[in-house]
Amino acid sequence: DGGITQSPKYLFRKEGQNVTLSCEQNLNHDAMYWYRQDPGQGLRLIYYSQIVNDFQKGDIAEGYSVSREKKESFPLTVTSAQKNPTAFYLCASGFGRGIYNSPLHFGNGTRLTVT
Amino acid sequence: QKEVEQNSGPLSVPEGAIASLNCTYSDRGSQSFFWYRQYSGKSPELIMFIYSNGDKEDGRFTAQLNKASQYVSLLIRDSQPSDSATYLCAVNQPGYGGATNKLIFGTGTLLAVQP
Repeated sequence: DGGITQSPKYLFRKEGQNVTLSCEQNLNHDAMYWYRQDPGQGLRLIYYSQIVNDFQKGDIAEGYSVSREKKESFPLTVTSAQKNPTAFYLCASGFGRGIYNSPLHFGNGTRLTVT
Repeated sequence: QKEVEQNSGPLSVPEGAIASLNCTYSDRGSQSFFWYRQYSGKSPELIMFIYSNGDKEDGRFTAQLNKASQYVSLLIRDSQPSDSATYLCAVNQPGYGGATNKLIFGTGTLLAVQP
């Protein structure tokens, strides 16, 4: 079955540690996105990527880093520079370009707790 | 002004009634509009998308778009308790000059359908 897989589902880390969230898709989508959601809030865009080895900052990129070495994979690293890393992280993919953007498909999310 | 605005709710409707969810957006260049449903603790799932002015119906759901007024809405007929969730409006922000499109989300409207 085609889909987007995020792992792990829950992640606990101590303050000051970097942590990497995994996102893999087999939908043959060109574009991949990372969003963050805080309780009672909408989704805020962290980073996005249209092609391999290229990515752009979203609205809240500070304290995060990404890589896109393969079309299927778009891991997100939450660094110690991110001041409030505890949140629900959502990875999504879609076809990206064109006026009539295709819908985004979401993974099941990773809930990160930093203490 | 926020790029995508929604009333946070909660919107409470009795079972069997019509629920009306509204969204306004600021970028006149946007051409693609999406409604996602998100249950508590879960990732968003696509309900409807609309590209053209007017109405688009799918089962109990109708999406309405008015580009001149920069307004998109979702009607849910014969509301059921299982429809109780947060409804996220998402609007395409075009990637000018061939850049990747971004999907900008509102903060969501919480719908509560009372049995």
